[in-house]
Amino acid sequence: EPEVTQTPSHQVTQMGQEVILRCVPISNHLYFYWYRQILGQKVEFLVSFYNNEISEKSEIFDDQFSVERPDGSNFTLKIRSTKLEDSAMYFCASQTGGAVAEAFFGQGTRLTVV
Amino acid sequence: GESVGLHLPTLSVQEGDNSIINCAYSNSASDYFIWYKQESGKGPQFIIDIRSNMDKRQGQRVTVLLNKTVKHLSLQIAATQPGDSAVYSCYNKLIFGAGTRLAVHP
Repeated sequence: EPEVTQTPSHQVTQMGQEVILRCVPISNHLYFYWYRQILGQKVEFLVSFYNNEISEKSEIFDDQFSVERPDGSNFTLKIRSTKLEDSAMYFCASQTGGAVAEAFFGQGTRLTVV
Repeated sequence: GESVGLHLPTLSVQEGDNSIINCAYSNSASDYFIWYKQESGKGPQFIIDIRSNMDKRQGQRVTVLLNKTVKHLSLQIAATQPGDSAVYSCYNKLIFGAGTRLAVHP
């Protein structure tokens, strides 16, 4: 069964450092998403990406965040200068269609900022 | 504001019982809802979806009910099993509800 894969599973980084989280969405999917989940809290939407551009983003997705689809398979989330409060699980998701389709989620990357 | 919200943080049931998990939504919600299951340390997993032109949809051991009059969505799990223990969240228009933690006791 096709699945969304994320690497690494766990990333530890020092405050102020740049970090790139990587995702390989399901191959025929067109819509891509990043979510985060701070420990003990709900999953929060960060950004959606379609046709090589951001289609929606939340208030959390400020200038420190950027996304890229550098080739036909990878979808990345970059945090330019990490803060302690960026520590969370980051989930990538992809889906075939737009508003009426399920999103398939990866297993997440646990980011720990120290 | 957010389109979906929390009802109860935790639900404890005995194995074999039926479970009902609830979610409220606001006027800003779109016409497509999903229930996701999230086990500890894992990503959300699709369980069942429903469009607003339906009141009820059934899957294997799961049923979703949509009451548009009171803007309420529920997930019913029949014959709950220990493997059903997880956080269940409703999802609409990119937003997850806070979720209900289902604990199944043998």
